[in-house]
Order: sequence, then structure tokens, then C-alpha cells
Amino acid sequence: EDKVVQSPLSLVVHEGDTVTLNCSYEVTNFRSLLWYKQEKKAPTFLFMLTSSGIEKKSGRLSSILDKKELFSILNITATQTGDSAIYLCAVAERTGNQFYFGTGTSLTVIP
Amino acid sequence: DAGITQSPRHKVTETGTPVTLRCHQTENHRYMYWYRQDPGHGLRLIHYSYGVKDTDKGEVSDGYSVSRSKTEDFLLTLESATSSQTSVYFCAIRAQETQYFGPGTRLLVL
Repeated sequence: EDKVVQSPLSLVVHEGDTVTLNCSYEVTNFRSLLWYKQEKKAPTFLFMLTSSGIEKKSGRLSSILDKKELFSILNITATQTGDSAIYLCAVAERTGNQFYFGTGTSLTVIP
Repeated sequence: DAGITQSPRHKVTETGTPVTLRCHQTENHRYMYWYRQDPGHGLRLIHYSYGVKDTDKGEVSDGYSVSRSKTEDFLLTLESATSSQTSVYFCAIRAQETQYFGPGTRLLVL
């Protein structure tokens, strides 16, 4: 059975800290891995990763994929209270028809 | 914003009643999806559609049916709502190999 596992389930940090969120997967016919941020509304897209070892960056957020070890990490440097959210990892299977989601990591940034 | 709207945004209903949720998109995307989101379970796929009248089941399809009679609308129906179907329902479209989500519908079944 295909699955996506995220860790930790929740995290509380202080502003300015750096955090690393983990996503491991067991999905046959892998196509891509995606990260989303969810505040008290719909998930919003952050990154899509398809190749190992190539870092994607957007401001203080970055992510990398390891297709050999079947995991991805999402790093957030110099965290701010606005980074408080649930971060979701999803894997798209090869046809692109289905996406499998992890349960998310809940990040709380304290001032 | 991928031009996705959902209606209603909030609904309270009673066990045993039928409920239909609507997802509307304005950009002619071929693929549309219905998910439910519950604490501890993340987003779980209910049904998806890959074109008008073309649909398929997801992981948690029992108790749900869908219809897509035109490209822009994807309807999710709970034939006889149960308390276990209390959830937040998200519609999504696929574009550029990723998914974009609608604002969600909060459904409470009493």
C-alpha cells in the first residue's frame, strides 16, 4: 500500500530558529513530491521536486529530494510567526492521476 | 488562486439526509478531485475526475458518489449522510503537474 509519512507530527520553536521537516514515502510509480503550507484554510503550493539532489529555494524555505532513500526535507531558516502552519507532503504517482498525502507537520513559531 | 470555488462553505445537516457539495472551476482543467481532511488522517482522496463523465474512486469512496456533467463543475454527493462524514471537504484541480485547492466546505452531520 502506498504511503507517505511525515515527521515530526508537531513542532514548537522560537522565532529565529531553523527547522527541518521530514517526509518519507513508499509509493510505486513515483512521479514527483510536493510540499504545501496550510494555515486555517486550503493548502497552498510551495515546491515540486522530481530529481534527487537538486535543491529548490524560495526565500527562507528550501527543499531537497532523495529518490534513492525515498525521502525529502523541507528547511525553514530564521523562522517567523507567519510560518506557523501545517506543512503537508504529497507524492504524485506516475500517471499524475493520484496524489498521496502525509498527515502533516504542525509548526508553531513562538515570538 | 486557480479559480476554484466551493459551495456551500459551511453546512449542518442531519444523519440520513442527502447532501451535495459543488466545486466550480473557471480555467478548463481536465482533472478535478475531492478530498476530505480529518485530524490525524491528513488529506484523503474520495473521488477524482479526468474529464466530463469520467470519474474514478479514491481511497475513501464508500458512501460518496460524484458527477461531472460539464468541465467546470464536479459534484460530490453523500447519499445518506452519517456522523462519520463530518469533515472538511476540499476540491482540487490539477495544473502543471501539481494540485491547487479550493477554499473548503465544513460539513457537520448531527
